[in-house]
Amino acid sequence: GESVGLHLPTLSVQEGDNSIINCAYSNSASDYFIWYKQESGKGPQFIIDIRSNMDKRQGQRVTVLLNKTVKHLSLQIAATQPGDSAVYFCAENSLMDSSYKLIFGSGTRLLVRP
Amino acid sequence: EAGVTQFPSHSVIEKGQTVTLRCDPISGHDNLYWYRRVMGKEIKFLLHFVKESKQDESGMPNNRFLAERTGGTYSTLKVQPAELEDSGVYFCASSQVRWAGELFFGEGSRLTVL
Repeated sequence: GESVGLHLPTLSVQEGDNSIINCAYSNSASDYFIWYKQESGKGPQFIIDIRSNMDKRQGQRVTVLLNKTVKHLSLQIAATQPGDSAVYFCAENSLMDSSYKLIFGSGTRLLVRP
Repeated sequence: EAGVTQFPSHSVIEKGQTVTLRCDPISGHDNLYWYRRVMGKEIKFLLHFVKESKQDESGMPNNRFLAERTGGTYSTLKVQPAELEDSGVYFCASSQVRWAGELFFGEGSRLTVL
């Protein structure tokens, strides 16, 4: 079936370094992608989104890259801080059957070393 | 403005018992979603309400799960009878727009079935 998945379950980075979290998706019909951050004990929180007519979008310290050719999505975090430690989920918006549900990947845990 | 609130935050029940989870969406959000994360895996869609109507319930695992949203305000998710595999974190999310881009999530209800 259609799925959104992540390459690495855990990513450990040094504070101040840049982080790159990757995600692969399989539904070529998806046209909207979102990154969520989930801190321990909290619900997922929206970080940044990108539509399929774009290949890059920047936010504050975060950049999302979309490569539709290889169905790959990445989240780049600049100057990673301890507060960035969390599980990161990519999600796609599926318009199959006129449904508007998000399909999430399994998540990548980001650990920031002091 | 209050966010999405869920109750209880944690419930421990025995197999065969019943549990009811409640979600209060952000005021004015017609769209309400239930998701769950089992065994630390991906966040899986359960169902989507638009006001009091079920827009999509394709993710509901079986007929032991019953979701309601009477009056189009808060929603309940009942599991009866609960099984061991139902353990996980149940998230509620709401959005103002129908095309589920940015969803606002609650902190989740952790269900442990013994």
